[in-house]
Amino acid sequence: DVKVTQSSRYLVKRTGEKVFLECVQDMDHENMFWYRQDPGLGLRLIYFSYDVKMKEKGDIPEGYSVSREKKERFSLILESASTNQTSMYLCASSLYPGQGDTEAFFGQGTRLTVV
Amino acid sequence: KNEVEQSPQNLTAQEGEFITINCSYSVGISALHWLQQHPGGGIVSLFMLSSGKKKHGRLIATINIQEKHSSLHITASHPRDSAVYICAAYLLTDKLIFGTGTRLQVFP
Repeated sequence: DVKVTQSSRYLVKRTGEKVFLECVQDMDHENMFWYRQDPGLGLRLIYFSYDVKMKEKGDIPEGYSVSREKKERFSLILESASTNQTSMYLCASSLYPGQGDTEAFFGQGTRLTVV
Repeated sequence: KNEVEQSPQNLTAQEGEFITINCSYSVGISALHWLQQHPGGGIVSLFMLSSGKKKHGRLIATINIQEKHSSLHITASHPRDSAVYICAAYLLTDKLIFGTGTRLQVFP
């Protein structure tokens, strides 16, 4: 079974703190994604990575950065957390399109509250 | 305008009804996913398809590439089908983007 594991299920951080959200997958997938999910807005892509040390901005990258030093790990970083970053964060991974089944697999989500 | 649009946003049904959820996209894609999200946030992939039709139990997914449209059907719906159903498109740029979801409630 593919496993995408996010480091925390729930996090509470203070405004201005640096926050790290970690995601690890064990299926040797090239593509990894970070989304946030907010009521009425659905899942919005923050950043994605198609290879080690490679990253692409998604639709809402402002206030976030990412790191992919190893293929299996994709980290989302909030340099200075703000209350408008309170959200559910979801990580996903998949193979490249064209590599056969590009089914996407998701972590369990991290509910981040910034106070 | 979102590149992936879903309808309806909310759907209620009586147990046993046939349900259809629609997904339209406006850009080139390499694959389309149908996902299910239960309360608590966990997302499960139901189907990935790039052409034709797939069936799994009471769930059927179809895609029409020319019309840029996909549908998810649930036959003989059951209260345990209550969830949010999301379509996600794998763009030719390697981005995976999502529709806003359809909240389905099936009542006994």
